[in-house]
Amino acid sequence: DQQVKQNSPSLSVQEGRISILNCDYTNSMFDYFLWYKKYPAEGPTFLISISSIKDKNEDGRFTVFLNKSAKHLSLHIVPSQPGDSAVYFCAASELNEKLTFGTGTRLTIIP
Amino acid sequence: GAGVSQSPRYKVAKRGQDVALRCDPISGHVSLFWYQQALGQGPEFLTYFQNEAQLDKSGLPSDRFFAERPEGSVSTLKIQRTQQEDSAVYLCASSYSLGAYEQYFGPGTRLTVT
Repeated sequence: DQQVKQNSPSLSVQEGRISILNCDYTNSMFDYFLWYKKYPAEGPTFLISISSIKDKNEDGRFTVFLNKSAKHLSLHIVPSQPGDSAVYFCAASELNEKLTFGTGTRLTIIP
Repeated sequence: GAGVSQSPRYKVAKRGQDVALRCDPISGHVSLFWYQQALGQGPEFLTYFQNEAQLDKSGLPSDRFFAERPEGSVSTLKIQRTQQEDSAVYLCASSYSLGAYEQYFGPGTRLTVT
């Protein structure tokens, strides 16, 4: 039972344009959502997060949107840069315990 | 400051061997988590500690898996009688407290069982 789903295994975006990565979840008890970025042979790196009481959180080029009624969140990166090429994982937490991850989306930024 | 470190980075074990994987969390971080990441998948929760107390081990796949954190800092994940299906990357993460959602990950140990 996949509680966190990332339905796009890969995404290619032109440098300078907006990258939009999507994530859906099924567990309504999740109260905190995070995005992690992963380069090959490295551990996931925390990127940005959002509490379930908010619908938007912004940090520089990165914005996360949460739609609780649709159980959907998205990560927007604008403008996209070549260094953003990586695998992005969506994760969710219930009562600040273990993280439940999606399967990841490989983002490729085309120069 | 130093991040989470894990050793060894790579481990090859023959089926049936025991292995021990080490995690050094960020200094002062109270909570420590272990995850298993299979190829092409996201990390999956194994177990976590608050200080030396193991609060949840519901993700450990079998009784061949055992984790400890005796002094509330360094943790060891032990796998007995390794099987081919144990081949994966084992990730350790720490967070400042159980009230902190953000977890900081180490580079992982890639275990290959032949």
